[in-house]
Amino acid sequence: RKEVEQDPGPFNVPEGATVAFNCTYSNSASQSFFWYRQDCRKEPKLLMSVYSSGNEDGRFTAQLNRASQYISLLIRDSKLSDSATYLCVTREYGNKLVFGAGTILRVKS
Amino acid sequence: SQTIHQWPATLVQPVGSPLSLECTVEGTSNPNLYWYRQAAGRGLQLLFYSVGIGQISSEVPQNLSASRPQDRQFILSSKKLLLSDSGFYLCAWSDGRSGNTIYFGEGSWLTVV
Repeated sequence: RKEVEQDPGPFNVPEGATVAFNCTYSNSASQSFFWYRQDCRKEPKLLMSVYSSGNEDGRFTAQLNRASQYISLLIRDSKLSDSATYLCVTREYGNKLVFGAGTILRVKS
Repeated sequence: SQTIHQWPATLVQPVGSPLSLECTVEGTSNPNLYWYRQAAGRGLQLLFYSVGIGQISSEVPQNLSASRPQDRQFILSSKKLLLSDSGFYLCAWSDGRSGNTIYFGEGSWLTVV
């Protein structure tokens, strides 16, 4: 079983749509959680951290369910520029980061 | 502000040739440094991490080695490349004290032919 699992997609959505990505992790001792965004042939960049209480940054909302070991990312009012691969990331003891393989999002006009 | 730079950005190397990828970080002291590899359609795999000069931890057995000759310099090397070494190599850093968030360099595309 992979340590961090994501639906690879692709998710093809029209502009303005709301889309949600899910991620599950296997290590119950994981300490921190993040979403990274990776554009084609570029390095991953931090999108947002994920907090237990849930957090929002503009059109992006992240949720964490520790009991179910489940993380989600919701994108509202999708833009063409949101097209990218979204990586779910957990941090384990000792600063080890574990990356999911990513979910591809394609927003079309 | 902190910056991270790695080079070269792209390289094509024959099987059996050596490899050297370099990474430097500016604007911070005693960072944690990492080398990741991303194969096509797969997640990032941690290859090496370092918490200080000369301190290298290897995550997976492989054909590669890493060195940290200076506080903010991290080098990935191989004496003899294999076809399976092809991929996207990413250097990254995190704060040496909090270490919570990781930041990546621009990446190096390696094709072994």
